[in-house]
Amino acid sequence: ETGVTQTPRHLVMGMTNKKSLKCEQHLGHNAMYWYKQSAKKPLELMFVYSLEERVENNSVPSRFSPECPNSSHLFLHLHTLQPEDSALYLCASSQRAALTGELFFGEGSRLTVL
Amino acid sequence: QKEVEQNSGPLSVPEGAIASLNCTYSDRGSQSFFWYRQYSGKSPELIMSIYSNGDKEDGRFTAQLNKASQYVSLLIRDSQPSDSATYLCAVPGGGGTSYGKLTFGQGTILTVHP
Repeated sequence: ETGVTQTPRHLVMGMTNKKSLKCEQHLGHNAMYWYKQSAKKPLELMFVYSLEERVENNSVPSRFSPECPNSSHLFLHLHTLQPEDSALYLCASSQRAALTGELFFGEGSRLTVL
Repeated sequence: QKEVEQNSGPLSVPEGAIASLNCTYSDRGSQSFFWYRQYSGKSPELIMSIYSNGDKEDGRFTAQLNKASQYVSLLIRDSQPSDSATYLCAVPGGGGTSYGKLTFGQGTILTVHP
């Protein structure tokens, strides 16, 4: 495996379900990110982890809960989501977090909330 | 006020022509600028970065930066149908915080027709 891999690629869930998105990076990077991409809207940063410590929570609702057990893995736990949360969730990594623009993205997890 | 602004297009150019993609940003203190390409159904990938005023060339791609005008552009020479994608302009920082945050524009859809 190379680069940044995300699973599942597609997820359909009801509003009362609990699910998780997984991301793994094989680049030896120290920072990992969750971004949200909705139709007709710019990419939105959700969370940043640097060396397994959360350094940014971009005003994300608590129904999204990130977890970074080590520098290679990142999870996004989902519970009681709303239909407007349907979007493409992109994981990314970079060598460092501070003022970086060089992100490597995974292929994304397409989430549909019914 | 949008922090990074792009014309969403679509921009349509004939094969072999020059495609010009434009981006303006609001933070005068921004020091680095990035262009990402996103094919339909795929994740964004970094194609150019620029840090100094003037032009930076990489193959058929040229990034142009004018910090006084807060303007950055991407020129694609000899456009090919394979260049058809959404081009995202990105600037580190924004929204009152800068650590690990990359602010994206909405993206310009480029179509190169044979």
